Amino acid sequence: EDQVTQSPEALRLQEGESSSLNCSYTVSGLRGLFWYRQDPGKGPEFLFTLYSAGEEKEKERLKATLTKKESFLHITAPKPEDSATYLCAAYSGGGADGLTFGKGTHLIIQP
Amino acid sequence: DVKVTQSSRYLVKRTGEKVFLECVQDMDHENMFWYRQDPGLGLRLIYFSYDVKMKEKGDIPEGYSVSREKKERFSLILESASTNQTSMYLCATRWGGKTQYFGPGTRLLVL
Repeated sequence: EDQVTQSPEALRLQEGESSSLNCSYTVSGLRGLFWYRQDPGKGPEFLFTLYSAGEEKEKERLKATLTKKESFLHITAPKPEDSATYLCAAYSGGGADGLTFGKGTHLIIQP
Repeated sequence: DVKVTQSSRYLVKRTGEKVFLECVQDMDHENMFWYRQDPGLGLRLIYFSYDVKMKEKGDIPEGYSVSREKKERFSLILESASTNQTSMYLCATRWGGKTQYFGPGTRLLVL
């Protein structure tokens, strides 16, 4: 059974304090790893897709990386507006769905 | 720009009422999904559709049904709403194994 585990569940940082969020996956034949940002009361907003180990993608203060067992979302010098829940999901290509979500990391950036 | 819209942001219904949640996408994607999201449980798939008039049960289909008469529109139906269906409902669309895009969500309260 495909599984995606995110850690930590919650993280509180000071503004400017860089850190990383972890997404470990056990998926038979990974075909894509997705990162989303979700603000309270809203739908998840797409951030990145990674397809193969070694791939990296960046957007402003965020950088996502992928290995054969896990993905990291690195946040550099975060600002309060980066506070949100970050979700990752793995796609195995099984059927029309095949998307397994983690439960998310709730990130709080204090000014 | 990607656009997934849901008919209501907030909805309050009485136990036993029939509830319709509608999702519309403008990206010509074959695959559409309905999830519910609850604290501590993450995203759970209710139903998905990979073509017009086609539907498949997800992980928690009990108490729900769906309808897809047109490619761009996917409806979730609660035949007889119950209090344990109080939740955040999220619609999503995807083309093949590419990125899955979410709507803004509907927060449903069943009294």
